[in-house]
Amino acid sequence: AQSVTQLDSHVSVSEGTPVLLRCNYSSSYSPSLFWYVQHPNKGLQLLLKYTSAATLVKGINGFEAEFKKSETSFHLTKPSAHMSDAAEYFCVVSSYGGSQGNLIFGKGTKLSVKP
Amino acid sequence: DTAVSQTPKYLVTQMGNDKSIKCEQNLGHDTMYWYKQDSKKFLKIMFSYNNKELIINETVPNRFSPKSPDKAHLNLHINSLELGDSAVYFCASSQGMGSSSGNTIYFGEGSWLTVV
Repeated sequence: AQSVTQLDSHVSVSEGTPVLLRCNYSSSYSPSLFWYVQHPNKGLQLLLKYTSAATLVKGINGFEAEFKKSETSFHLTKPSAHMSDAAEYFCVVSSYGGSQGNLIFGKGTKLSVKP
Repeated sequence: DTAVSQTPKYLVTQMGNDKSIKCEQNLGHDTMYWYKQDSKKFLKIMFSYNNKELIINETVPNRFSPKSPDKAHLNLHINSLELGDSAVYFCASSQGMGSSSGNTIYFGEGSWLTVV
């Protein structure tokens, strides 16, 4: 079975400093992995995805994530935080077998950005 | 134009009522989904339809009934609403069975349902 664990429920950074949101996954198959962002009272927006191509994936708004199979990790990073990055971030793994197409969400990491 | 649109965005209703949430996608996708986000922000799939055929039906009370009149629409009807149904419901779509082939799943903006 597939699962995903976001190691921090809340991360707080100062504007202009780096962002690191941690995610570990478990999958019997070669997984597809995603990061989605949800701003307050808004829908889910795809930041980036990994689908067995390049292990370093670049997304929108300056975010990127690196797939590390040996560590079963897919951490999200950004060199310099902006106030508008404050939101909830979800690490997501795809499921296989009888639930193909099913996304399995992590519990989310709330990112706060201080001025 | 919004790719995946759902209405209403906000809905407050009394226990015992029946309500529907509508969803439409203009992306030409053949697969649509309903996800539920609870008060702790946890998201979980409820239903998945591919070419109007039910593919995934997770453990959801049978008070919840999805209806797909065509590939571009997947409506969610809820009978006899209960307090625990209060949540945010997200509609989504993808081409093919989305994530398993790496295809992106696109989400609507959510429908905030409050049962009082």
